Amino acid sequence: GEDVEQSLFLSVREGDSSVINCTYTDSSSTYLYWYKQEPGAGLQLLTYIFSNMDMKQDQRLTVLLNKKDKHLSLRIADTQTGDSAIYFCAESISGSARQLTFGSGTQLTVLP
Amino acid sequence: GAGVSQTPSNKVTEKGKYVELRCDPISGHTALYWYRQSLGQGPEFLIYFQGTGAADDSGLPNDRFFAVRPEGSVSTLKIQRTERGDSAVYLCASSQNGGANTGELFFGEGSRLTVL
Repeated sequence: GEDVEQSLFLSVREGDSSVINCTYTDSSSTYLYWYKQEPGAGLQLLTYIFSNMDMKQDQRLTVLLNKKDKHLSLRIADTQTGDSAIYFCAESISGSARQLTFGSGTQLTVLP
Repeated sequence: GAGVSQTPSNKVTEKGKYVELRCDPISGHTALYWYRQSLGQGPEFLIYFQGTGAADDSGLPNDRFFAVRPEGSVSTLKIQRTERGDSAVYLCASSQNGGANTGELFFGEGSRLTVL
């Protein structure tokens, strides 16, 4: 079955770059996503990438996709304390964007 | 409201009781989803509605779980004979077009269910 894996924790200093990694197993995934979950708030879509792309940049966020290795990463430049949250990687199942499979999330802690 | 609204935000019940969780999606969104998030885990898909019909209910864990969306807007997730393992945060999400490719789901804050 489909599986999405992430490391559980990441700590960085304010101003440094953060890199959150994710691996997935469904080779037919069409879209991959990064969601952010802050305490007491709903999940918020940060960015997504089509599987025919290698990279996508959106302001401080850079998404890299290595389809051969089924590896996805999210880089946050100039990390701020407000970026502290849980970040979830998600993939669409068999090309359907309607049903997402999420990883367990990476808790990002930004230290002053 | 502007976002997805879920009620109650917290529900504590006893094992064996019946529970209903409500979701009010963003106005105009035709697609509605229920996910379940256990502690320390990512959300797991339960069911997806396109309009009034359940287009995909493959994620419902067993027949104690049921969801309806009778008028194509508000949805209710119903859990019968609750068990302690049902304790989780139940997330509702909506999107403008369930078949759209961006997969942008708008999530509510969730209903935290605790079964004692």
